[in-house]
Amino acid sequence: DTGVSQDPRHKITKRGQNVTFRCDPISEHNRLYWYRQTLGQGPEFLTYFQNEAQLEKSRLLSDRFSAERPKGSFSTLEIQRTEQGDSAMYLCASSPAAGRFLNEQFFGPGTRLTVL
Amino acid sequence: AQTVTQSQPEMSVQEAETVTLSCTYDTSESDYYLFWYKQPPSRQMILVIRQEAYKQQNATENRFSVNFQKAAKSFSLKISDSQLGDAAMYFCASEYGNKLVFGAGTILRVKS
Repeated sequence: DTGVSQDPRHKITKRGQNVTFRCDPISEHNRLYWYRQTLGQGPEFLTYFQNEAQLEKSRLLSDRFSAERPKGSFSTLEIQRTEQGDSAMYLCASSPAAGRFLNEQFFGPGTRLTVL
Repeated sequence: AQTVTQSQPEMSVQEAETVTLSCTYDTSESDYYLFWYKQPPSRQMILVIRQEAYKQQNATENRFSVNFQKAAKSFSLKISDSQLGDAAMYFCASEYGNKLVFGAGTILRVKS
């Protein structure tokens, strides 16, 4: 088990460009979460999947943001027409739906986005 | 909406000493989970300890323990025998509808 992985680890882009991040959860976890963390703050929830179904989206997730989890395995988070305010660390986490680690979310290393 | 408050932006502790990080939360749920996560500089967040609200016994994990006061909605973390490797940002979080709500964090500095 290699844990939750995220790619890329760092992304620098110009305002107005589109970016896509990928998250690979722990293989047996069917729940996957995206959070955003700005400097000096705690993570804020963006969206949540159970298998391939997107069950909840935060109001923080504007229409420029879209997330998918097509086969219930990896997930992508796309930001269209990036703005400087999108600069943040984007964290992915996964958790099992049952068992000993129920409700425990395992985090990936994050993707740091810088919008110039 | 649920809120989690960490009133200590920064704390310092001498190596081998004990430090307590504070956290209060607000929830209308009767059963829920509370967590402390550690985020070392430039490294990923890892779970330190978890508490199930229906359990009255305070959780412990080696040098880490919590003081869970359900009526007061307080959930503090005690780190005993502090080590240099404990230096990190610590986040308190509550679970709300399958997602976590985090506090703003407390930076813990460990002095040798």
